[in-house]
Amino acid sequence: AQSVTQLGSHVSVSEGALVLLRCNYSSSVPPYLFWYVQYPNQGLQLLLKYTTGATLVKGINGFEAEFKKSETSFHLTKPSAHMSDAAEYFCAVSSAGTASKLTFGTGTRLQVTL
Amino acid sequence: SAVISQKPSRDICQRGTSLTIQCQVDSQVTMMFWYRQQPGQSLTLIATANQGSEATYESGFVIDKFPISRPNLTFSTLTVSNMSPEDSSIYLCSVETSGGITYNEQFFGPGTRLTVL
Repeated sequence: AQSVTQLGSHVSVSEGALVLLRCNYSSSVPPYLFWYVQYPNQGLQLLLKYTTGATLVKGINGFEAEFKKSETSFHLTKPSAHMSDAAEYFCAVSSAGTASKLTFGTGTRLQVTL
Repeated sequence: SAVISQKPSRDICQRGTSLTIQCQVDSQVTMMFWYRQQPGQSLTLIATANQGSEATYESGFVIDKFPISRPNLTFSTLTVSNMSPEDSSIYLCSVETSGGITYNEQFFGPGTRLTVL
């Protein structure tokens, strides 16, 4: 079984400040980890993913995340927030296999203020 | 990647009626998924739709309520039957593109926003 916990349903940062969205996972097998973003009234867009290899992964729009096995974490960061980053962010986990399924966290709504 | 479209984009329906949502992909994909996103909540997988076989439903979802068709590798439909206000949600389809290696990466359609009165 696998699960995802996102700490903080709402995060507010000032424009230009560091963005940190937390994600912890539970998986009995090596996980594949994903961050998705959902802008208002839109579907989900993949920001970045970790499968194997380098533990620091870079995604679109300046976001990156680091897979830390010892901490079972996959936190999302961006050095400098922009107003356009305001959206809902979902962390998700899956694992290798033909019957793959994504398990999503409950989401974190990011607010960016002036 | 894959480009996915859904029809309708939104609808308002009366209690007791049914709505069929279409999902079209611009390339052939093996696996398609249907999710429900209730207001203010995360995504919950309804079922996995594979071409040529019955859909596989997750716990809490049944075929009589959410019949699914998958007639070919680029198209699927989800029907929400005998609707009640509790069915008001965004329904999203997604596809998995393995890219030759099973990354389990999924691409999502824009969603169908359903309101049941």
